[in-house]
Amino acid sequence: AQSVTQLGSHVSVSEGALVLLRCNYSSSVPPYLFWYVQYPNQGLQLLLKYTSAATLVKGINGFEAEFKKSETSFHLTKPSAHMSDAAEYFCAVSGGGGTSYGKLTFGQGTILTVHP
Amino acid sequence: EPEVTQTPSHQVTQMGQEVILRCVPISNHLYFYWYRQILGQKVEFLVSFYNNEISEKSEIFDDQFSVERPDGSNFTLKIRSTKLEDSAMYFCASTREGQTNSPLHFGNGTRLTVT
Repeated sequence: AQSVTQLGSHVSVSEGALVLLRCNYSSSVPPYLFWYVQYPNQGLQLLLKYTSAATLVKGINGFEAEFKKSETSFHLTKPSAHMSDAAEYFCAVSGGGGTSYGKLTFGQGTILTVHP
Repeated sequence: EPEVTQTPSHQVTQMGQEVILRCVPISNHLYFYWYRQILGQKVEFLVSFYNNEISEKSEIFDDQFSVERPDGSNFTLKIRSTKLEDSAMYFCASTREGQTNSPLHFGNGTRLTVT
């Protein structure tokens, strides 16, 4: 069984400040981990994914995440927030390979607000 | 860039009515999924579909739900007799291969409102 916990349903930062969105996971198999972003009235867009290669993963829009097995964490960061980063962010873990690869367990989401 | 398209974007239906949500996955994709998100709750897996059959389904996906790929391009989710608690955003997703170098692409969703 798998689960994902995102700490903080709302995070607010100033433009130019560090963004840190927290995600902890539980998985009975080596996990594939993902961060998705959802803008209002849009679908889920993949930001980045961890697939057992490098533990520091770089994604789109300047985001990156570090897989820490000892802490079962996959926190998302961005050094300098931009107004356009305001959205809801979802951490997710995959069920494995084959059809299970796309069977994701999502966290509850974190709404990021960026203020001037 | 090719994308997953879902229609309609918003559907309103009365309790007890049948509803069909439509999705057109990316053309060379082989694995298909439906998810739902009840307002204020997590995105939840409903069902996966490969090789013209259901691969996995969640406990939410009871016998009121069915999926079909009727013509090789569309992928539909049918709810036979809608309930108030079926009100949610429904997302379709697809991927070419069931492995890590093949990203999962989501559609923009259909908001279903059951009255």
